[in-house]
Amino acid sequence: EADIYQTPRYLVIGTGKKITLECSQTMGHDKMYWYQQDPGMELHLIHYSYGVNSTEKGDLSSESTVSRIRTEHFPLTLESARPSHTSQYLCASSESRGQGARGYTFGSGTRLTVV
Amino acid sequence: GDSVTQMEGPVTLSEEAFLTINCTYTATGYPSLFWYVQYPGEGLQLLLKATKADDKGSNKGFEATYRKETTSFHLEKGSVQVSDSAVYFCALSENGANSKLTFGKGITLSVRP
Repeated sequence: EADIYQTPRYLVIGTGKKITLECSQTMGHDKMYWYQQDPGMELHLIHYSYGVNSTEKGDLSSESTVSRIRTEHFPLTLESARPSHTSQYLCASSESRGQGARGYTFGSGTRLTVV
Repeated sequence: GDSVTQMEGPVTLSEEAFLTINCTYTATGYPSLFWYVQYPGEGLQLLLKATKADDKGSNKGFEATYRKETTSFHLEKGSVQVSDSAVYFCALSENGANSKLTFGKGITLSVRP
């Protein structure tokens, strides 16, 4: 059973709309991440957070924004969706203990299509 | 910086064939190494990992050995099944409180009945 939840699983939305992709985890993990996955399946880190009120931009520039007001919740927002935002978005989390040896837990993803 | 290089895909095999997916890495320290699997329409799942040199990770018939001398972590399975069809990602994480995973580009495996 997944301990990290993403909603919605699929979303088709018109250009210019504001959308929020939800990500919640029940494991108490400090660190959370958002990845964008391109059609070739490569993963691109777009945002991450090391704790409440901490957010950083990732390796790939993105027009999206994130917030981390609660440990368990890390939503991603697009103020004005465009067709170029069509992609699979994956959320992940990890704990601070273990110094990187435990890896990440991923959600099932949100498949976004902007028409 | 850190990097992970996976062999080019896609890979297509017949059921019960032997599988090898190559992965090599570049890191400044002594990283932990991972293989993740992504089934169609799903997120990534941890398949196996190794945290130090000569460790062997194994799960679901898959194995990978952490080879520091060749900086490699190749994934192997003796007899693949149709249900193994998925995308496979090799990844590394440096040791440290703020370390992030560095992923390879992923490779798609298709297994024919």
